[in-house]
Amino acid sequence: DSGVTQTPKHLITATGQRVTLRCSPRSGDLSVYWYQQSLDQGLQFLIQYYNGEERAKGNILERFSAQQFPDLHSELNLSSLELGDSALYFCASSVDLQADTQYFGPGTRLTVL
Amino acid sequence: GENVEQHPSTLSVQEGDSAVIKCTYSDSASNYFPWYKQELGKRPQLIIDIRSNVGEKKDQRIAVTLNKTAKHFSLHITETQPEDSAVYFCAASRANNAGNMLTFGGGTRLMVKP
Repeated sequence: DSGVTQTPKHLITATGQRVTLRCSPRSGDLSVYWYQQSLDQGLQFLIQYYNGEERAKGNILERFSAQQFPDLHSELNLSSLELGDSALYFCASSVDLQADTQYFGPGTRLTVL
Repeated sequence: GENVEQHPSTLSVQEGDSAVIKCTYSDSASNYFPWYKQELGKRPQLIIDIRSNVGEKKDQRIAVTLNKTAKHFSLHITETQPEDSAVYFCAASRANNAGNMLTFGGGTRLMVKP
């Protein structure tokens, strides 16, 4: 157990819908990262937040957005869902902005039908 | 941006043999290179990492080597066991004030046959 928690574990929804994925970092970690893992794209970085502020952005679609709250938990919002958005979504956390070691949560499996 | 390539994509070894997985990276400014092990449907688990100021690091049966000049790094697993069977990912990052995003290789499926 890494100490990073994610909810829900599984999510099944229809195309065009909107969902919210939630992540709580390890106690004391200020930085949160979101990654997408799909069969054809592998593990891809989406976005990083540090102490409530967006700090790095990867291949995140405009239909996706995220935020980090004052209690440091983070939410990833996915809207206008398409079949291709079906994937495992992982959250990771690290101690601070530059700290390199990232610990991954158990992931949320999103299935879009 | 950074690009990480990983080889081989699948690797089958006999229990007790050694396994070697290799990765190359493109960004010479990358300074952190972790290896993750992922079992089916589970989270990536950090198994070992190396920073750019070190050439080699060992932890029991696992070792990682880094060649900054050639921009490649490798994972070595000795005395493999069936429980080593999983997908292994290498990654690279340039941790600085602008952030710390990991760029992953495509993964290696390691199968250890008893």
